[in-house]
Amino acid sequence: NAGVTQTPKFRILKIGQSMTLQCTQDMNHNYMYWYRQDPGMGLKLIYYSVGAGITDKGEVPNGYNVSRSTTEDFPLRLELAAPSQTSVYFCASSLTVNQPQHFGDGTRLSIL
Amino acid sequence: DAKTTQPTSMDCAEGRAANLPCNHSTISGNEYVYWYRQIHSQGPQYIIHGLKNNETNEMASLIITEDRKSSTLILPHATLRDTAVYYCIVRGTGANNLFFGTGTRLTVIP
Repeated sequence: NAGVTQTPKFRILKIGQSMTLQCTQDMNHNYMYWYRQDPGMGLKLIYYSVGAGITDKGEVPNGYNVSRSTTEDFPLRLELAAPSQTSVYFCASSLTVNQPQHFGDGTRLSIL
Repeated sequence: DAKTTQPTSMDCAEGRAANLPCNHSTISGNEYVYWYRQIHSQGPQYIIHGLKNNETNEMASLIITEDRKSSTLILPHATLRDTAVYYCIVRGTGANNLFFGTGTRLTVIP
C-alpha cells in the first residue's frame, strides 16, 4: 500500500515556465488536498477536491490550477512560474472530511 | 477554526515522557483537536485527535482539559526518532482546511 505518492521530488524551473506536479493515492479516498509550505512556516491550503470532477479553492489558489478526473489522481498545474512559488508542495488525502489526512513526501520546487 | 498557541521549542531526554502543550481558548463545541508531526523535510504525519475525552493510540496520548481550552500531547517514551515539529490543530466538523501554524519543535536528547 503506497499511500500518497508525489512526483517529482525535486524540480527547478525558470520564471515563466509551466509544469504539473503529480499526486496519486491508492487508498480510494474521496478527499484530496494540495498545500504549500514556505521555509519555517506551516502549511497553507492551495486547492482541494471532495471527489472526482469537483474541486475548490483554498487559502492561496492564485497562480495554480487543479483537476480531478479520477479518484486516484489530483495534479497541480503551475502555468507561469514565479519566484514567489518557490516552496515545498504537499499533497494529502482523506477518506472523509473529518478523517485524518495522509500526506505525501512533498515536491521541492525552486523557481529561478 | 479556532487558533492555537504552542511553545516554539522543547527538549526531552530520550526514554522520558514528552509532554507538548497547546492552548486553544477560543475552541467551539464542534471543533476537534488534531495533532500532526513533521519530521525533517517529510510530509506531516497524523498522530491523534479528539473532541472531549482523552484519547490513546499506539503513538501517543491526548489529554484535553474539561473546559477544552487546552490539551497536551504525551509521547510516553520519547526516542531520537521523535525529534520533529509537532502541530496542534483545531478543526471544525466539515472544515476542509488544516491550519498548521508554526508548531513546537521537539528535540529528543540522548
